[in-house]
Amino acid sequence: DAGVTQSPTHLIKTRGQQVTLRCSPKSGHDTVSWYQQALGQGPQFIFQYYEEEERQRGNFPDRFSGHQFPNYSSELNVNALLLGDSALYLCASSLDKNTEAFFGQGTRLTVV
Amino acid sequence: QKEVEQNSGPLSVPEGAIASLNCTYSDRGSQSFFWYRQYSGKSPELIMFIYSNGDKEDGRFTAQLNKASQYVSLLIRDSQPSDSATYLCAVEGFYTDKLIFGTGTRLQVFP
Repeated sequence: DAGVTQSPTHLIKTRGQQVTLRCSPKSGHDTVSWYQQALGQGPQFIFQYYEEEERQRGNFPDRFSGHQFPNYSSELNVNALLLGDSALYLCASSLDKNTEAFFGQGTRLTVV
Repeated sequence: QKEVEQNSGPLSVPEGAIASLNCTYSDRGSQSFFWYRQYSGKSPELIMFIYSNGDKEDGRFTAQLNKASQYVSLLIRDSQPSDSATYLCAVEGFYTDKLIFGTGTRLQVFP
């Protein structure tokens, strides 16, 4: 049974560029949440997708957008990258909101 | 006041001892509480969750919840060097679908 998978694992982008991160949830899970984790901090909630709709959003600018596909996989898009967007981006999947949410291995994004 | 607070540590305990990790939260309506373990450079791994007041045991781990005091803790018995990691407390509120994390407590278990 495959767990949560994210791609790519590492990414280097230039300031001002756009990036797309991908997530496949754990088998049987229908809810995907995205988090940003800066060094030395706890994960910060970006948004959550359920039934292809954004169900809730954290305090992140509109540069951060997402999508969920009919197979429950999800994408996180970040436009106009800033140096401060450098972080570990985590995808978590669950069945029905955040109950027992499981994280993928993360995507380490470096903006230079 | 931070929504979820943890002592950043490091908390150093000898091998075989009990490690006690603490977390307080501000939203009195919070319903679900989670403990994640995160090794350096890795993603968080769910180790315990608790919804009701009292204790919940799973192997060497015990989660304790006191909603009146807005306090949740994690006890690790017979600590091993492999338990050395950052432990993240996460809280899900009553009207929210998101997990709010503390900054984590770094645990060091020395032989």
